[in-house]
Order: sequence, then structure tokens, then C-alpha cells
Amino acid sequence: DGGITQSPKYLFRKEGQNVTLSCEQNLNHDAMYWYRQDPGQGLRLIYYSQIVNDFQKGDIAEGYSVSREKKESFPLTVTSAQKNPTAFYLCASSIAGRSNEKLFFGSGTQLSVL
Amino acid sequence: GQQVMQIPQYQHVQEGEDFTTYCNSSTTLSNIQWYKQRPGGHPVFLIQLVKSGEVKKQKRLTFQFGEAKKNSSLHITATQTTDVGTYFCAGPNAGGTSYGKLTFGQGTILTVHP
Repeated sequence: DGGITQSPKYLFRKEGQNVTLSCEQNLNHDAMYWYRQDPGQGLRLIYYSQIVNDFQKGDIAEGYSVSREKKESFPLTVTSAQKNPTAFYLCASSIAGRSNEKLFFGSGTQLSVL
Repeated sequence: GQQVMQIPQYQHVQEGEDFTTYCNSSTTLSNIQWYKQRPGGHPVFLIQLVKSGEVKKQKRLTFQFGEAKKNSSLHITATQTTDVGTYFCAGPNAGGTSYGKLTFGQGTILTVHP
């Protein structure tokens, strides 16, 4: 089945540690996104990428980094500079990144701080 | 920056009652999308509205896009327990680009009591 796979489902971070969240898609979509979801808030855009080897900051990029070396993969690193990383992280994709395209979401990663 | 506000934040209904959530944007939208997130799940695309005053129906769900393309609503007739979840509206970021950056509302959490 085509879709977006996020791993791990749950992740724990220690103080000062960088952690990487995986996102893989087999939908052949050009555009991929990372959103952060906090209780009672909508989804906030962290980073997005419309093409391999190119990505742009979203609304809350500070403390995060990404790479897009392959079309299928868009990993997100939560660095130690992100002081409040506890949240539900959602990866998404769309066909070409146009504003009238629907997003397909992965099942998410819940990140917690130890 | 662009804001998308959704009300109410929470709605508790008895099974069989109707439900409505409202979405208001600070800017005119080229389109608006609606997503549903089941408890513990990820957002799933429901529908996109594009035209001023557009009304679309999906079984018991009715979606409307305002004449000024700054507001939208989702109405569910005779709710069922399967309607439980969080409903989000989302519109393209202002800025004149065609990039698929969506601004999400905070969501309305619907609880249905049997």
C-alpha cells in the first residue's frame, strides 16, 4: 500500500541530546512537510521541501533541522536547542506542493523529554 | 501574519444531535480544506472548497465556503459515535505564492455521547 511511514511511534529525548525522526513515503510525491501538534493547538509548520536537496523554514523552525537527500525521505532532527520539544510530530506529503493540493499524513511520532 | 481561528474548541453532543464548527481567516483564501483526526490518529483529508459560496455534501456532512472566502463551516447532521475526533480547517498561507503551506485552525474536538 502506498503511504507515509513515520518511525519511531514514541521517542524519548534526554537533556542536551539530538534526536532524529524518520519519514518515508512511497507515493512519489515531490513535496514533504513536518508539522508539530500540541494539545489544544492546530498543526504548526516546521519545515517543508518541494524538491530533493531543497527545503524551506516554516513558522517554527528554530531548534530543528531537516535534510532531503532522496525524494522518498525527509528526516527531522530535533536539536538540543529546542527547549520545549515534547509534542506530536506529523510528517506529510503532497503531489507537487501547490496550495490546492491535499496533504497525506503519516501516523506521527510522539516525542517526550526524560 | 495570517490567522485561522476555529470555534468552538470543544463540543459535546448526544448521539443524534447536530454539530457545527466554524472557521474564520484573517485573509481571503484561495481555497479551504477540512481534515478529521480520530483520537490517537493522524489528520485525514475530508474535502476542499474553492468557489465563493460553495456548498458540498458528504453524506451527513455539509461544508460551506463563505461569499467573501474568509470563513467556512462544517455541519454534521445526526451525529454518530463514529464522528468523534478533531476537525481542522486549513487554508493556504498568505503571500501570493502557490506553495502548499497551509495554516491550520486550532481544531474543534467533538465528543459524542451514546
